[in-house]
Amino acid sequence: QVQLVESGGGVVQPGGSLRLSCGASGFTFSSHSMHWVRQAPGKGLDWVAGILYDGKKKDYADSVKGRVSISRDNYSNRVYLQLNSLRPEDTAVYYCARRGFGVLLEAFDYWGQGILVTVSS
Amino acid sequence: SYELTQPPSLSVSPGQTATIPCSGDNLDDKYVCWYQQRPGQSPVLLIYYDSKRPSGFPERFSGSNSGNTATLTISGTQTLDEADYYCQAWDSSTVVFGAGTRLTVL
Repeated sequence: QVQLVESGGGVVQPGGSLRLSCGASGFTFSSHSMHWVRQAPGKGLDWVAGILYDGKKKDYADSVKGRVSISRDNYSNRVYLQLNSLRPEDTAVYYCARRGFGVLLEAFDYWGQGILVTVSS
Repeated sequence: SYELTQPPSLSVSPGQTATIPCSGDNLDDKYVCWYQQRPGQSPVLLIYYDSKRPSGFPERFSGSNSGNTATLTISGTQTLDEADYYCQAWDSSTVVFGAGTRLTVL
């Protein structure tokens, strides 16, 4: 069965950095684009970044552009999110999500359990 | 940037029909997905391609998209349908979510 497991979250001071990781299993990882979506406490879903199945194209939300970098390793079936220059408003649960293909191309058909990032001094 | 607008909340009685709108400019030019998120849980894909349901979700969940508004309809709402519901679409290479609608069944 498809599993996405995030790790690497925690408490970080403003201006600090953090690298999130998402391990994937149960499917052909190298066939799917992967994305990160975050959710601030008590707020809605906020798309952060996405990376094409082969890593050749990366897209970012305007709110994080220049501070965030997404990458992937198709040998270890992992996708990463490097968060730099963190701000208190980056505090959120960060979800790893799989983009479907075929008829599910427009959807995120599997989500991880999420990992909390807290930016606070 | 593209925006999707949803009402923040909706209340229905058990057995009634819940209708959750999601509006955006020329939204029917895009495909809309819907996600259900129960408290403390991750989002789950509920509707894709405007109106398709993944296996596992009952037929009482349906979707449509016309003009500037996509709609999630829950027929015969049950208490276990209490959750937050989010619409989502693509704007070029980026992803847009609506702010979410909290459905209360009481």
